[in-house]
Amino acid sequence: AQRVTQPEKLLSVFKGAPVELKCNYSYSGSPELFWYVQYSRQRLQLLLRHISRESIKGFTADLNKGETSFHLKKPFAQEEDSAMYYCALSKLGTYKYIFGTGTRLKVLA
Amino acid sequence: DVKVTQSSRYLVKRTGEKVFLECVQDMDHENMFWYRQDPGLGLRLIYFSYDVKMKEKGDIPEGYSVSREKKERFSLILESASTNQTSMYLCASSLKGDGYTFGSGTRLTVV
Repeated sequence: AQRVTQPEKLLSVFKGAPVELKCNYSYSGSPELFWYVQYSRQRLQLLLRHISRESIKGFTADLNKGETSFHLKKPFAQEEDSAMYYCALSKLGTYKYIFGTGTRLKVLA
Repeated sequence: DVKVTQSSRYLVKRTGEKVFLECVQDMDHENMFWYRQDPGLGLRLIYFSYDVKMKEKGDIPEGYSVSREKKERFSLILESASTNQTSMYLCASSLKGDGYTFGSGTRLTVV
């Protein structure tokens, strides 16, 4: 069965420290993977997707098929990065996602 | 900018009431989705639709139904609201595999 696991409910880091939000998935085929972010009082929005291999707001994520992971990283956290982050998986060619349970990132001053 | 609009930000309903949650998107997206968002459980798919009059069950369809009579509108119906349906409901749309655009959510409280 397809599954997305985000092991940390809450991650607290100090401003300027590196951030890594973990995401592991189980899926036998070739998945499409995404990170979504929800800032306080805002709607959930797409942060990045593995296919585009881009960096958004300093965040990157690399798909590691061997470890079935898609961790989200940023070298230097900023206070405005504080938000809820969701990892999501879509079976290639389909349009529905399976979401992880989310990780709340708090960046402390 | 794609907009997905959910008609109500907050709703309070009584147990047993029939509840309609409306979602409208303005960018001609084929795919529309309803999720519920609960702390510690993430987002769980209730129903989705790939086209007008088409609907498919998601992971937790029990107690819900949907309607898609027009491409831009996707309605979620709680036939007889119960307290365990108190939640944040999120509507989303997408154009093929481009990623979702979400609405701002409807926080439903069933008392």
